Order: sequence, then C-alpha cells, then structure tokens
Amino acid sequence: DAKTTQPNSMESNEEEPVHLPCNHSTISGTDYIHWYRQLPSQGPEYVIHGLTSNVNNRMASLAIAEDRKSSTLILHRATLRDAAVYYCILSVFMNRDDKIIFGKGTRLHILP
Amino acid sequence: NAGVMQNPRHLVRRRGQEARLRCSPMKGHSHVYWYRQLPEEGLKFMVYLQKENIIDESGMPKERFSAEFPKEGPSILRIQQVVRGDSAAYFCASSPGASDTQYFGPGTRLTVL
Repeated sequence: DAKTTQPNSMESNEEEPVHLPCNHSTISGTDYIHWYRQLPSQGPEYVIHGLTSNVNNRMASLAIAEDRKSSTLILHRATLRDAAVYYCILSVFMNRDDKIIFGKGTRLHILP
Repeated sequence: NAGVMQNPRHLVRRRGQEARLRCSPMKGHSHVYWYRQLPEEGLKFMVYLQKENIIDESGMPKERFSAEFPKEGPSILRIQQVVRGDSAAYFCASSPGASDTQYFGPGTRLTVL
C-alpha cells in the first residue's frame, strides 16, 4: 500500500500562510493525492486533490513536486477555524477498488 | 442536497449487546465506506460497499462485525456482542463512483459500558 509521511503537528499564527508538507515517495503513476481535514468532534472534510499539476480551490492550494514524491497543502491565510488534523492520502487503485488509507495526519494549531 | 447522514450520533451499549449504526449516503451516491477512529488515533478503513455488494472488507474484524448496503434504505454496520474495545467513533463516507472524492458523515460515537 502506498503510504504518506507527515509531521505530527505544526503551529501557525492567525492570518499567516500555512504550508503543510507530505512525503509520498512510493507513489505510483495513477495515484491521486488527496487532502482531508478533521475538525474537532467532526467527520473528515474533503479539502483538495490533484494528480500532477498544482491545484487551487476556495479552501486551499496544492503544490505537487515535479517527481510527485512530495506535496504541500497551502492555506493562504489561516484562521482559528482552520485548526484541525490534516490528512494527506493517496488513493490506491486496485482493480475496481478505491480504498483511502488514512495516516495519523498533521495536527495544525493556530495561534491568535 | 443533504450530506451524508448517520444515526444515531451517540450510542451507548452494555457489553454483550448489539450495536446497529446507520448511514444514508448523499443523493446519487452508490458507494459507501465505513471507518473506525479510536481516541487520539487516525481513521482506519473497515469496509467498502456498493448497493447489495461488499467490495472490500479487508479492514473488518473477522468476528462480530458485519455490514450491508441493501437496494433500498441505509447502509448498516452491525456489531454483535460488543466489548469495551469497540468504543470508538464510526464514520461513514459516500461517493458517486469508485474513484471519486468521498464525503463523510458526522459519525456515530459508540460507548460500551
């Protein structure tokens, strides 16, 4: 199974940009990189995903390294509501299966 | 379009009882996934179902746990003869297709006394 490596926790100041790194050195050519986040006492929430090119949406940006062995989730201006656990996940395609494997994620603390 | 719905949100059972957790996927979604989250840990995949079929149950404990997704009605995760170690948050997710983004419900928090 493809795996990802993330720092256990990070801190950032409110209204500052946040860069959350993820290593996935065993990624295969057809694996998408997904980011989810989980706010306290809630279910995970989809943030963004990409394959090769950088992606932007209203929540965040995803920067993918040229060799695809790492990626960075960018929150352009963190707010207190962004405090959550952020999961970087590879979608593993096995025939008609698509099983998301969650790691422990990065716990992001936002300092007011 | 309502999101993924799970009920009950909180469930308390005594050891040896049965727990039934329900998940109604988003409208138009025919793929359902169940995950378990122990306190202070990440989510662990349990089972992936399509309507009337179990596609992947590699994360399900071999005994006491079962899941179904009937043609009509919600998906059900059933835990028989619960033990204290089953206490966890159980999350359901749904997607329109096998490779699409998964949308999660709010979870059911099971407490076994």
